[in-house]
Amino acid sequence: GENVEQHPSTLSVQEGDSAVIKCTYSDSASNYFPWYKQELGKRPQLIIDIRSNVGEKKDQRIAVTLNKTAKHFSLHITETQPEDSAVYFCAARGSARQLTFGSGTQLTVLP
Amino acid sequence: NAGVTQTPKFQVLKTGQSMTLQCAQDMNHEYMSWYRQDPGMGLRLIHYSVGAGITDQGEVPNGYNVSRSTTEDFPLRLLSAAPSQTSVYFCASSYSYDIGGETQYFGPGTRLLVL
Repeated sequence: GENVEQHPSTLSVQEGDSAVIKCTYSDSASNYFPWYKQELGKRPQLIIDIRSNVGEKKDQRIAVTLNKTAKHFSLHITETQPEDSAVYFCAARGSARQLTFGSGTQLTVLP
Repeated sequence: NAGVTQTPKFQVLKTGQSMTLQCAQDMNHEYMSWYRQDPGMGLRLIHYSVGAGITDQGEVPNGYNVSRSTTEDFPLRLLSAAPSQTSVYFCASSYSYDIGGETQYFGPGTRLLVL
């Protein structure tokens, strides 16, 4: 089945700096890659997603890039703000058509 | 729309007890799923359903049962609770199982403690 690895597990950045979280996947048939943000004690919420026919997608300060050849995708957050502090999860939808999640990245934005 | 709702929010069980975690959605979503979230392990799929009357196993199905008699409801049953089932349980739904409808929306979660 699909295997998704996510790095780093923790990330601290200064307010205003950029943050990058990277994920790799194993199933070459994976075609959908969402990113979720989870604040403490809350539900995961979708922040951006990308499909396999697109190499990059941007939504204001958030962007996702996909490299199908290398089987990795990344989340980029620019001009980070304290409210960006949360756990971020990547996921991939493989040939079994189920979402497999990475283990999460705790992002802390320092004021 | 209430979206995806879950009850209870928090539950304490003794080893060997059974219980049902409730999940409902009012978005007419075809696909529903249950995940458990443990520290450092992300979300792992327990069971899923692609429509009323159809269910299948995910990555970690042992000790859990599901049924889908209506489009709206997808309850998760713990048959005989064990301490290893202490976790946060999330229900999620998406419009469909097919490309274009696969964005999943999560419920608020149920925190379960098994003593």
